[in-house]
Amino acid sequence: GENVEQHPSTLSVQEGDSAVIKCTYSDSASNYFPWYKQELGKGPQLIIDIRSNVGEKKDQRIAVTLNKTAKHFSLHITETQPEDSAVYFCAASKSSASKIIFGSGTRLSIRP
Amino acid sequence: NAGVTQTPKFQVLKTGQSMTLQCAQDMNHEYMSWYRQDPGMGLRLIHYSVGAGITDQGEVPNGYNVSRSTTEDFPLRLLSAAPSQTSVYFCASSYGSWGGSSYEQYFGPGTRLTVT
Repeated sequence: GENVEQHPSTLSVQEGDSAVIKCTYSDSASNYFPWYKQELGKGPQLIIDIRSNVGEKKDQRIAVTLNKTAKHFSLHITETQPEDSAVYFCAASKSSASKIIFGSGTRLSIRP
Repeated sequence: NAGVTQTPKFQVLKTGQSMTLQCAQDMNHEYMSWYRQDPGMGLRLIHYSVGAGITDQGEVPNGYNVSRSTTEDFPLRLLSAAPSQTSVYFCASSYGSWGGSSYEQYFGPGTRLTVT
């Protein structure tokens, strides 16, 4: 089955700097790659997603890139702010909303 | 809309006890899933359902049962609780087809379960 690996497990960046989180997936049939943000004591919330027919997608300070050949995708957050501190999860799916496999998460801390 | 609701928020069980975690959604979503979250292991899929009357196993189904008699509800049953089932449990729902522009999953607030 699908396996998603996520790195790093923790990341600390200076406010205003950029943060990058990387994921790899094992199943070449996967074609949907969402990213979720989880704040303390809450359930995860979708922040951006990308389908396999697109190499890059951007939404304000957040961007996701996908390399299907290498089977890896990354989350880029620019001009980081204190409210970006959270746990971020990548995930992969084969066009099925029912079976989305998540990575192990990255705890991002923004230093003032 | 209330979105996805889960009850209880917290629960302590003794080994061998049984209980049901409740999950309900009012968005008319076809798909519903249960995940458990453990430190350093992310979210692992327990069971999922693609519609009323249809369920399937995820990555870690052992020790858990589910049923889906209505579109709105998707309870998770622990038949004989074990300390290894101590975790935070999340229920999620989504549209079955490419709803709008994504397969966004909407998560509930979670149930923190401790088994002693």
